[in-house]
Order: sequence, then structure tokens, then C-alpha cells
Amino acid sequence: SQTIHQWPATLVQPVGSPLSLECTVEGTSNPNLYWYRQAAGRGLQLLFYSVGIGQISSEVPQNLSASRPQDRQFILSSKKLLLSDSGFYLCAWNWDVLRSPLHFGNGTRLTVT
Amino acid sequence: AQSVTQPDIHITVSEGASLELRCNYSYGATPYLFWYVQSPGQGLQLLLKYFSGDTLVQGIKGFEAEFKRSQSSFNLRKPSVHWSDAAEYFCAVAPNTGNQFYFGTGTSLTVIP
Repeated sequence: SQTIHQWPATLVQPVGSPLSLECTVEGTSNPNLYWYRQAAGRGLQLLFYSVGIGQISSEVPQNLSASRPQDRQFILSSKKLLLSDSGFYLCAWNWDVLRSPLHFGNGTRLTVT
Repeated sequence: AQSVTQPDIHITVSEGASLELRCNYSYGATPYLFWYVQSPGQGLQLLLKYFSGDTLVQGIKGFEAEFKRSQSSFNLRKPSVHWSDAAEYFCAVAPNTGNQFYFGTGTSLTVIP
């Protein structure tokens, strides 16, 4: 069966520090991978998605970037965090077939101080 | 512009009462439709999905949803709510082109004894 792992679960970082959140999927190959951010009262905002290694699509221009160095690894990064980067970050995957549902990780709670 | 609207930010129901959570979407063509549930501090779990065919779809945990094309709606229902249903509920749409999934802002459900 397929599993998705996200870490860390919680993170407190000062403004201006770098960020690296990692997501890996096991038990499948060539998944679509997604990063979402959830802020209070704003639902889930799609940040990036990837349909293959090295292929990243950005939905919203901001202080973050994403990379996919391996087939089942998706990394969310920032060189300098802003206060507004605080939130709950969720990684998700689905199969490379049209409209298969998303499967989510347990999320990372990021607090920028 | 494409959008997903969940007009109810918070709903409180008594245990055993019926439930309906509203979702409206705005897209050029009928997208694929989903409902997800999120327990506190967790990722999202798929409740049900609509791709085509029968407009009344059944999901897990006794939930169902009805697609109404004329109203651009996909409301979630449950005949009798259990205390364990207290959670955040998200409606999501996926346009029938591309790989993106877009979520509403969520409805928080409180169940009182």
C-alpha cells in the first residue's frame, strides 16, 4: 500500500531563516505531488505541484520554492522566511491518471517568529 | 475566475440530527468534485467524489453528496450526525484539464450532545 510521509511535524523558525520541508511517498511510482498551505480561515491554497522529476508548477508567486530531486520526494524551501509564511503545510499525492483523489500527509505546522 | 465557495464557516448540530454542508463552484465546465474531512492537526481524508453519472454519490462514514448542475452545487449530507463527525470539511474541485485541485475555505462542524 501507498504511504506518504511529511517531516517535521512542527517547526518554529525565526524571520529570515531558511526552510526545508520534506515529503516522500512510498509504494507507488511517478506520482503527482502537491504542496498546499492552510492558513486560518483561508482553506487550502495550492502552492506547487509536480508531475515528474524536475517538473514544478507554481500556482502562487511567493517566498517559497519547490523541488523534486527524486521521483517520490518533494521538497518545499525558502531562503528567508517571512512572518506571513506561518501556517500548516500539507503534502499530497495522486496517481498520474486523470482526477484520481489526493492523498494527504499529516502536515507540518510552521510558526515563524 | 474559478472559485469554490463554502458559505458556512461554522455549523453546530446536535448529535443525531441531520447535516447539510454547502458547496458551490464556478468553472467554465463541470469539474470533478470532492469532499474531504480534516481532524485537528491532521491531513485530509477523502469522503467521496463525483466524476460523472449518478448525481447522488455515497461516501465513507455514512456521508452522501448530490451534484446539481443547474445550481453549480455539490452539497454534503448525513442523515444522523455522530459526535465523531466533528471536524473541518472541505469541498474541492479539479478542472477536467490540468492537474490542479482547488479547495474551499472549509466548514467547521461542532456536534453537541
